[in-house]
Amino acid sequence: KNQVEQSPQSLIILEGKNCTLQCNYTVSPFSNLRWYKQDTGRGPVSLTIMTFSENTKSNGRYTATLDADTKQSSLHITASQLSDSASYICVVSDSRQNFVFGPGTRLSVLP
Amino acid sequence: DTGVSQNPRHKITKRGQNVTFRCDPISEHNRLYWYRQTLGQGPEFLTYFQNEAQLEKSRLLSDRFSAERPKGSFSTLEIQRTEQGDSAMYLCASSNIGGRDYLNYGYTFGSGTRLTVV
Repeated sequence: KNQVEQSPQSLIILEGKNCTLQCNYTVSPFSNLRWYKQDTGRGPVSLTIMTFSENTKSNGRYTATLDADTKQSSLHITASQLSDSASYICVVSDSRQNFVFGPGTRLSVLP
Repeated sequence: DTGVSQNPRHKITKRGQNVTFRCDPISEHNRLYWYRQTLGQGPEFLTYFQNEAQLEKSRLLSDRFSAERPKGSFSTLEIQRTEQGDSAMYLCASSNIGGRDYLNYGYTFGSGTRLTVV
């Protein structure tokens, strides 16, 4: 069964600190993996997308990694800001463009 | 074209009433998806359209739910005889399968419609 798991479920960090969120998947055949940021009450906004051949991609303070062999991805946030408080959702697509969503990691950045 | 637009942003309705939501996708996007998201959970797939054809429906889409995309552009999601369990955020997303910008921009969400059934 195609699944996407994320850890931790929630995370609290202090402003200015770094953090890393994890995503494990069993989606096959793999096409691409996306990380989304979702503010409370808003729709998800794309941060990064990676295909099989890419193992890292950055978007400002966000850096995503992908290990297609172990089927793991991480999202690293550098120098966190209060506005980074949101849910971060990992979404994996198969070759037929079926999207499998992870449950998300709820990040809270405190001053 | 500023992205995927959903209306209304919020809807409060009494149990048993019918509600309809609208989604305007990014123009030229041929696929349109509907999702439901409850608090603290990731989005759950409901259905999707390729142009005007509804190609897949989740088992979550009971017979009280119906979606249309009559001209392959905007879509509506109707819930009949609403129940309190229908309270959720309803998200729409669009993509351009086969388009050259697919991997860069391809899957874009709207801001959602928050439904509260009282």
